[in-house]
This record gives sequence, structure tokens and C-alpha cells, in this order.
Amino acid sequence: NAGVMQNPRHLVRRRGQEARLRCSPVKGHSHVYWYRQLPEEGLKFMVYLQKENIIDESGMPKERFSAEFPKEGPSILRIQQVVRGDSAAYFCASSPRMTRANTEAFFGQGTRLTVV
Amino acid sequence: SQELEQSPQSLIVQEGKNLTINCTSSKTLYGLYWYKQKYGEGLIFLMMLQKGGEEKSHEKITAKLDEKKQQSSLHITASQPSHAGIYLCGADRAAMEYGNKLVFGAGTILRVKS
Repeated sequence: NAGVMQNPRHLVRRRGQEARLRCSPVKGHSHVYWYRQLPEEGLKFMVYLQKENIIDESGMPKERFSAEFPKEGPSILRIQQVVRGDSAAYFCASSPRMTRANTEAFFGQGTRLTVV
Repeated sequence: SQELEQSPQSLIVQEGKNLTINCTSSKTLYGLYWYKQKYGEGLIFLMMLQKGGEEKSHEKITAKLDEKKQQSSLHITASQPSHAGIYLCGADRAAMEYGNKLVFGAGTILRVKS
């Protein structure tokens, strides 16, 4: 998976707590994408970020979810006041800051969030 | 309904047999990606196709994008147990200058019987 690192791999939270999911892109990649894979559903786009900018958040739930990709450090997907329906696998992908020709999107191993 | 329709939803083949998975879109695809996912794990990039009529191969897996760029097929020759997993096609909808915001199909579950 070409170096996209996500942590933690597994996260258990009680209802009402906050979940923070981290993603370090492939070295040199400045584009980060977050996807969610709900049980029995496909992979859905959530948000697309570049360093310090949210480019497209059309797939993000309107409340409780936020994402950032600071100048330094990993991208963070933050879920406040988690509910059972947030239980899912969250994947991060990164791609280089180049044109689309031969551009692969490399995915991390995912963070599996379980809300109890 | 899914923007990308994958068929079949699941497939069980005998080891050594060939198989094909299809991915169909009602809209033009600017980039078509094939990934493999083992249950409970991340996505492994297989291939990306951009041009109509393009065909790529990696080991025993071949993917094609039709001329109209609205359908892709993934063909596995002489399947092995290591091919088992979930195959996902992803499509790049927008003709963006950069980035990979992908729409995914629901996936095809492949089981290979020894």
C-alpha cells in the first residue's frame, strides 16, 4: 500500500465520546482523501484535503464530523459525540501533487471504529 | 442505486478456472481503478485505466476499459486461492487537473475453491 499509514488500526469508543483518526500520506503526497466503508455498504467518499485546505467535503455528514490536514503532521478525521451508526472502517488515501495521468490513489490499511 | 454497477456480486470458482468481473457506468469514466480488498484489511491497488480501449495486465490479472469508457472488465486467468477477496472498481468522475476523488462500486466477492 505504498506507505499510507493510518492509526489506530482499531478504535473502540463509547457513545458520546470523541474519535480521532490519523492518516500520514505517502511521503511527498499533498492530497489526502477520507472514505468510509459501512457494514454491508460500499466505500463512500467523505472529504478531500490538501495541506491546510479542504477542497471537497461533499461526502461529510453535516454534524459531528470534521477533517484537517495541517501544514505539519498527519491528517485528522475527527468524530465528536460518536453514535453506533458511526461504526465503520475509515480509509485514508493519498495521491501526489501532479496531474492525473498515471496517478494512483494509495490507500492505507484503515481504522476500524466500533462504537459501543 | 450505485453509480457504478459491479457484476456479479459474488463468485465462487474452482482453482485454475478463469473468471471475469464487470464494472459498468452510465456516465463517461475519466479514470477507472481496480482494487482488491481482503476482508478486514485495506485496499490494494491493482490497475488504473484512462483511455478508451486501454488494456493492462499484471501477472494473471487483465483489465480493460471499453472504447466508450463506460465499462471495464477484470479478467483473472487460472485463478488461485490467493486471488480470493473483494474486488472494487472505482471511478474518477470529474475531469479534474489533479486529485482522485473516487466513486466505488459495491464490490465483487471472489472465493476460489481448492
